[in-house]
Amino acid sequence: DTAVSQTPKYLVTQMGNDKSIKCEQNLGHDTMYWYKQDSKKFLKIMFSYNNKELIINETVPNRFSPKSPDKAHLNLHINSLELGDSAVYFCASSPPSGVGEKLFFGSGTQLSVL
Amino acid sequence: AQKITQTQPGMFVQEKEAVTLDCTYDTSDPSYGLFWYKQPSSGEMIFLIYQGSYDQQNATEGRYSLNFQKARKSANLVISASQLGDSAMYFCAMSPQNTGGFKTIFGAGTRLFVKA
Repeated sequence: DTAVSQTPKYLVTQMGNDKSIKCEQNLGHDTMYWYKQDSKKFLKIMFSYNNKELIINETVPNRFSPKSPDKAHLNLHINSLELGDSAVYFCASSPPSGVGEKLFFGSGTQLSVL
Repeated sequence: AQKITQTQPGMFVQEKEAVTLDCTYDTSDPSYGLFWYKQPSSGEMIFLIYQGSYDQQNATEGRYSLNFQKARKSANLVISASQLGDSAMYFCAMSPQNTGGFKTIFGAGTRLFVKA
């Protein structure tokens, strides 16, 4: 069974559209994240969601909104997509603090905005 | 502020030889964790090894070892007996302990090419 699964793996869409990426983890972790990997492979955190607490990276445009129906799911909604949103988006989860906070990543979603 | 530096954009190594991927970091946190992740061409991110800042011994995981030099603020990854499947991007990362992964930062990565 996949520990952290995200769908879709590839997403091609037009500018201005709204899209969502889904993420689910079956590890029982309380904390989930969304990361963005740009074309230069640089990884940057976008959001962290720990149970009901959302921590937002202030550099992320408010067109991006995470939604967590329960602690096993953290979906990413993107409104009014722009060319610059093209990237690979990774969902991740981690065990409780104090145990190394190793990240378990999903396989990534390649988003291409045309 | 925290910072991770990987100065080698690309590295080549002959199959079966050892290779060291460099990572230096900067932090004012007294306690932190250091990580290495592998990203093969298929795109997934794979955890390789972890080192706690107060661990006395260098971490090892199979063919991977982490050469931790706290005074120099370096956490180099050593891969012994390289295999063709080791060709990938490698990312060094750091996180202050007991803060949750939200404060994890990543280096720019090193692309490793293993030659047959």
